[in-house]
Amino acid sequence: GQSLEQPSEVTAVEGAIVQINCTYQTSGFYGLSWYQQHDGGAPTFLSYNALDGLEETGRFSSFLSRSDSYGYLLLQELQMKDSASYFCAVRDLGGKLIFGQGTELSVKP
Amino acid sequence: ETGVTQTPRHLVMGMTNKKSLKCEQHLGHNAMYWYKQSAKKPLELMFVYSLEERVENNSVPSRFSPECPNSSHLFLHLHTLQPEDSALYLCASSQDPTGTATPEQFFGPGTRLTVL
Repeated sequence: GQSLEQPSEVTAVEGAIVQINCTYQTSGFYGLSWYQQHDGGAPTFLSYNALDGLEETGRFSSFLSRSDSYGYLLLQELQMKDSASYFCAVRDLGGKLIFGQGTELSVKP
Repeated sequence: ETGVTQTPRHLVMGMTNKKSLKCEQHLGHNAMYWYKQSAKKPLELMFVYSLEERVENNSVPSRFSPECPNSSHLFLHLHTLQPEDSALYLCASSQDPTGTATPEQFFGPGTRLTVL
């Protein structure tokens, strides 16, 4: 079977750092993506890791460890506008994306 | 604006109705997707079209019927739906999903469907 696990909710304060973890069990693996979805909006692409290590894009970074079937999204200098749902997604060998159930991030003042 | 549009944004239909959802992408992509998003559940992939050919049908009931007349347009025809089909239906597009490029998918805003 294929499954991805991530926490359902995370709460943090403005200016803080938060890490959203994702573990996966899939029959094929080609890379790990992260998407952000604001309430009522479309999911938007944040990052993609095909190889082990850390990818940094501004305030957001994403990490992958293929040997541990684990990745995380790191959000720094949190802002209120970062309140949203964050989904990890595994790209399988056929190119499909298999999504986790999403982590709802609430940023408090 | 992601370059992917969907109409209608909201749809209420009875179980005996027939309706269609429309998706259009203006990004020059060659793959298009239908997803179902229910509350507190992962996005569920329904159909994938690559170069206008259906390459994936994830055991979706036949009351959902996709159509891809060209690489820019994707439809989802609905008939005799059930109340449990109420959900947000998202369309997405990307470059060749089997290629080596970053597999970024661009999503439309979705159609919020309610089946009475």
